[in-house]
Amino acid sequence: DADVTQTPRNRITKTGKRIMLECSQTKGHDRMYWYRQDPGLGLRLIYYSFDVKDINKGEISDGYSVSRQAQAKFSLSLESAIPNQTALYFCATGGSGELFFGEGSRLTVL
Amino acid sequence: QKEVEQNSGPLSVPEGAIASLNCTYSDRGSQSFFWYRQYSGKSPELIMFIYSNGDKEDGRFTAQLNKASQYVSLLIRDSQPSDSATYLCAARDTDKLIFGTGTRLQVFP
Repeated sequence: DADVTQTPRNRITKTGKRIMLECSQTKGHDRMYWYRQDPGLGLRLIYYSFDVKDINKGEISDGYSVSRQAQAKFSLSLESAIPNQTALYFCATGGSGELFFGEGSRLTVL
Repeated sequence: QKEVEQNSGPLSVPEGAIASLNCTYSDRGSQSFFWYRQYSGKSPELIMFIYSNGDKEDGRFTAQLNKASQYVSLLIRDSQPSDSATYLCAARDTDKLIFGTGTRLQVFP
């Protein structure tokens, strides 16, 4: 089994729908991250969390929210999806610099 | 806005050659730098990190850091077709990583 598991792996939805991407990890790290990857723009940080009571905004948090349900679970929500949120989303966990990434969730908003 | 910049490529090199990947960063206070490799359709994975000025070698990979010039590079010796991937440079900003856009490397036989 993968150390960092993301669900769903692929999702197509319509503008205005609420979407949740889920992430769970078995690495035992406290820190978890959500990144977005777009062609030509690299990986951009959406939100990150150091424990269940500590949530921090990244550089592109507008339009997103997160929930840290447990040390091992970190979910990302799009309350009302829009087409420019079409992207590949990665969850990651790790320590001071080595991040372990999930396999990614490809989201398409029509 | 702290930034990490890379040329998007593609950088094309023949098999057996040295591939040189470069990265610059804007925050002079950055102390730690990381190189991730991402194969097409896959997630990034860490291949090297460097904290001190100078060179750090690991097998066919050498990371170089020049803090005065705010420049990080990754050299891949004896490049193989299996090295074809996108290489992401990252700088640590307190408790998170700032990634560059990545350089696509193509190694042709």
